[in-house]
Amino acid sequence: GEDVEQSLFLSVREGDSSVINCTYTDSSSTYLYWYKQEPGAGLQLLTYIFSNMDMKQDQRLTVLLNKKDKHLSLRIADTQTGDSAIYFCAESAGYQKVTFGIGTKLQVIP
Amino acid sequence: DTGVSQDPRHKITKRGQNVTFRCDPISEHNRLYWYRQTLGQGPEFLTYFQNEAQLEKSRLLSDRFSAERPKGSFSTLEIQRTEQGDSAMYLCASSTGTPGEQYFGPGTRLTVT
Repeated sequence: GEDVEQSLFLSVREGDSSVINCTYTDSSSTYLYWYKQEPGAGLQLLTYIFSNMDMKQDQRLTVLLNKKDKHLSLRIADTQTGDSAIYFCAESAGYQKVTFGIGTKLQVIP
Repeated sequence: DTGVSQDPRHKITKRGQNVTFRCDPISEHNRLYWYRQTLGQGPEFLTYFQNEAQLEKSRLLSDRFSAERPKGSFSTLEIQRTEQGDSAMYLCASSTGTPGEQYFGPGTRLTVT
């Protein structure tokens, strides 16, 4: 079955880079996502990567995918206090359901 | 540009009562999804529609839960005979034909007392 695992908590200083890691088990995963959830707010799709890609960069965000190890990471460059949130790693095989991890709470220390 | 909207935002109900939630997707989106999120957890998939057809249902969706999307636009999720374990945030998402992009609404927080 599908399973997505990620660490629960990450603390970084403002201006440093943050790296949030995730592992997944479903070898049929086609799309891998990072969502952001701020307190009291809905889920915001940050970025996603196709399983045939190794890397995707979007402004301060870099996604790295190691398909062999089923490992996904999100790097946030120059982390700001506004980046404090819960980040969910997720996967899907296409149009169907998205399977989410438990979420990593990112704390940015000023 | 209006996003996905959900109504109500909060619902408090007594155990045993029925509740119904509504989701209005982004207008051109033909796919609509329902998820449930409990405190400290990620969202869990409940069901998925393509237009008016309900294509997939999770095992989490017991017989007390029913979802409809009668005209392929808005959707409703009904929970009958609510239990305290139903307390959660119920999230709706919609997407176009582009796999990988689901846009979430703000959710309906259900509290069963």
